[in-house]
Amino acid sequence: SQTIHQWPATLVQPVGSPLSLECTVEGTSNPNLYWYRQAAGRGLQLLFYSVGIGQISSEVPQNLSASRPQDRQFILSSKKLLLSDSGFYLCAWSGYRGGLNTEAFFGQGTRLTVV
Amino acid sequence: AQSVTQLDSQVPVFEEAPVELRCNYSSSVSVYLFWYVQYPNQGLQLLLKYLSGSTLVESINGFEAEFNKSQTSFHLRKPSVHISDTAEYFCAVSRIQGAQKLVFGQGTRLTINP
Repeated sequence: SQTIHQWPATLVQPVGSPLSLECTVEGTSNPNLYWYRQAAGRGLQLLFYSVGIGQISSEVPQNLSASRPQDRQFILSSKKLLLSDSGFYLCAWSGYRGGLNTEAFFGQGTRLTVV
Repeated sequence: AQSVTQLDSQVPVFEEAPVELRCNYSSSVSVYLFWYVQYPNQGLQLLLKYLSGSTLVESINGFEAEFNKSQTSFHLRKPSVHISDTAEYFCAVSRIQGAQKLVFGQGTRLTINP
């Protein structure tokens, strides 16, 4: 079966420090990968998605970047964190079945607090 | 582009009462529809989905949702709720083909009172 791992679960970082959040998927190949952010009291916002190695699409301009160095690895990064980067970050994956999209599956999330 | 509107940000109900969480969407193309549930400090879990076929879909824990194309709605219902149903519920849509960029509603916080 497929599983998705996301770490760390919680993170407290000072303003101006770098960030690296990692997500890996097991049990499938060539998944679509996503990073979402959930700010306090708000819905989920798609930050980045990737349909293959090295292919990253950004949905909103921001202080973050994403990379996909391997087929089942998706990394969210920042060179210098801002207070506004605080939030709950969720990684997700989806696949294809018969050429059509399947549902998306989410990791357990990372609670990032920038202080 | 797609959009999702969840009409209620909070829904308090008493245990064993029925509940309906409302979701309306807009899209110029055919979409899949989903309900996800989020328990505190956890990721999202898929509750149920509409891909095709019967417009009434059910989950294993008693929730059901009905796809209504004419009203562009996908409301979530449960005839009798339990304390353990307390959570945030998100309605979402995605395209059928191409990169599946889920578009979420703002969420509805369901609180069950004893």
